[in-house]
Amino acid sequence: SQQGEEDPQALSIQEGENATMNCSYKTSINNLQWYRQNSGRGLVHLILIRSNEREKHSGRLRVTLDTSKKSSSLLITASRAADTASYFCATDGAKDGNKLVFGAGTILRVKS
Amino acid sequence: EPEVTQTPSHQVTQMGQEVILRCVPISNHLYFYWYRQILGQKVEFLVSFYNNEISEKSEIFDDQFSVERPDGSNFTLKIRSTKLEDSAMYFCASTPWEVEAGELFFGEGSRLTVL
Repeated sequence: SQQGEEDPQALSIQEGENATMNCSYKTSINNLQWYRQNSGRGLVHLILIRSNEREKHSGRLRVTLDTSKKSSSLLITASRAADTASYFCATDGAKDGNKLVFGAGTILRVKS
Repeated sequence: EPEVTQTPSHQVTQMGQEVILRCVPISNHLYFYWYRQILGQKVEFLVSFYNNEISEKSEIFDDQFSVERPDGSNFTLKIRSTKLEDSAMYFCASTPWEVEAGELFFGEGSRLTVL
């Protein structure tokens, strides 16, 4: 099943601005996770939010989850050039077995 | 800090050749995965492995693919007869828990180029 579709596909902002990325999914989930991928590198886990949670913070990251709309957002505040990367949401669907299903990702470019 | 390691980092092969991609998961982890990412596209699930057997596999994981955990530390992905469309980045991941409990730990990937 198609899960975790992000928008926008690409986002370009100035250093110091906030970046917001959105993720939509289609079926019920146990949790939703966000990962970061620097160009040509592996995926690094950023944050996990469970289906019974609405908001979570970790440093400059804020994640929200709206299960009624089947959507999540990742906010990076006070962005830095080092935040330039691709960001993926991944869902642990209730009917997806024991695996994560990744979206297509948002490419974030932070200009200094 | 423990990490998942993958070798080789880049492999170039001719179409029809067999390739083996190797992964050393984090030592106390129990669940193992292979994902792939075709250049510029989404990260796709291939297979999960637990208790020395395949737990789940995707439609991509056809008879050309196999996985093994031969010695309790390595976790390998074999592609028996590579096709051009197998060119991708292959990521190994491991975790000590089921995914509803926490995150996956990914390696840096093996880039496979099939000519």
